[in-house]
Amino acid sequence: QVQLQESGPGLVKPSETLSLTCTVSGGSVSSGSYYWSWIRQPPGKGLEWIGYIDYSGGSNYSPSLKSRATTSIDTSKNQFSLKLSSVTAADTAVYYCAREITRPSYYGMDVWGQGTTVAVSS
Amino acid sequence: EIVLTQSPATLSLSPGERATLSCRASQSVSSYLAWYQQKPGQAPRLLIYDASNRATGIPARFSGSGSGTDFTLTISSLEPEDFAVYYCQQRISWRTFGQGTKVEIK
Repeated sequence: QVQLQESGPGLVKPSETLSLTCTVSGGSVSSGSYYWSWIRQPPGKGLEWIGYIDYSGGSNYSPSLKSRATTSIDTSKNQFSLKLSSVTAADTAVYYCAREITRPSYYGMDVWGQGTTVAVSS
Repeated sequence: EIVLTQSPATLSLSPGERATLSCRASQSVSSYLAWYQQKPGQAPRLLIYDASNRATGIPARFSGSGSGTDFTLTISSLEPEDFAVYYCQQRISWRTFGQGTKVEIK
């Protein structure tokens, strides 16, 4: 059974870069069948899609975050990562990683991590 | 960017009642719409993909319908575990989520 686990600092200072990693167990990030996604949820609010990366390093981002977000994938560690630069208090949220099945046919974001809380504060 | 508008914001119902949740897109998303359920303190769970396909293990009381700009999630008879927040999400242009509908116990 595939499991995803987010990790990273729980507190980031304003203007700095938020860095998170998602470790995949029970499956492989090298598979061409998936997008590996990041989604966040500010306290008491709804879900916001940040972006995804595929096995080859191809990526796509929300237009509103594209200038600040970068994803990467490390097949040797079976992990993928998110960096969000120049953070402000508005970036305080629970950050989730998720697997999105795209092949052989589309299925959706079927596996999610438990989420990690990141606060932006000095 | 495609905006998804969910209504109502809150739905107050009793167990056993039928729930009808709406999701409207600002432009056509064809059938590329999913529904997720989220309970407090938990990650979202995939219910429906591509408008009407139930994900594995999702009970038959959950059904999705619609295409283009108007979509509906129906829960035929609410069970106690169904009281939660529901989100729609499109995939035709990047990915966006609706703001959510909370189904609460009346």
